[in-house]
Amino acid sequence: DTGVSQDPRHKITKRGQNVTFRCDPISEHNRLYWYRQTLGQGPEFLTYFQNEAQLEKSRLLSDRFSAERPKGSFSTLEIQRTEQGDSAMYLCASSLAGTFGNTIYFGEGSWLTVV
Amino acid sequence: AQSVSQHNHHVILSEAASLELGCNYSYGGTVNLFWYVQYPGQHLQLLLKYFSGDPLVKGIKGFEAEFIKSKFSFNLRKPSVQWSDTAEYFCAVNADGGATNKLIFGTGTLLAVQP
Repeated sequence: DTGVSQDPRHKITKRGQNVTFRCDPISEHNRLYWYRQTLGQGPEFLTYFQNEAQLEKSRLLSDRFSAERPKGSFSTLEIQRTEQGDSAMYLCASSLAGTFGNTIYFGEGSWLTVV
Repeated sequence: AQSVSQHNHHVILSEAASLELGCNYSYGGTVNLFWYVQYPGQHLQLLLKYFSGDPLVKGIKGFEAEFIKSKFSFNLRKPSVQWSDTAEYFCAVNADGGATNKLIFGTGTLLAVQP
């Protein structure tokens, strides 16, 4: 158990619906990351928070995607007006800033299927 | 463009065979290097990492990797694989000196070990 929790683990939604994923990082970790992974590919970086500040967003994160980390603890990733191309596993990860060489720990991911 | 390449997409070995998985990256500056493993149905787990010092790093479960700076490579090795090593293996690079710990992943290598 890495300590990074994601919910829900699986979500099937109809095209055009909105979905939200939640991530609870390891409690003392101040950095939080969202990645997306599709079949046959490695995880692709989407966005990164340090505490409550969203410091970097990938070009992969279209306007339909929004991520928040309101109190610097848990985070949500919302996808509006889902498209079939959004079907993927959404991974959350966390780490502790300020320690050189620290490791990123991943959650088990949230599978999204858009039908 | 900055990238991480894993040459072998699928590898099939018999138990006790030796393993070497290739990883090359295209970043020119200082890099931190990682190998992650994903067992069937489980989350990404860190196998080993390189930040500085001895270019031969040892990880969990008998895995090791060698950083060869002149070749921009960080190949993963294990002298004798077991059936339980069946998994997907991802090479990853952090190229910002740990400023964000953001990782760029390769596409992964699926290893199947036959008993």
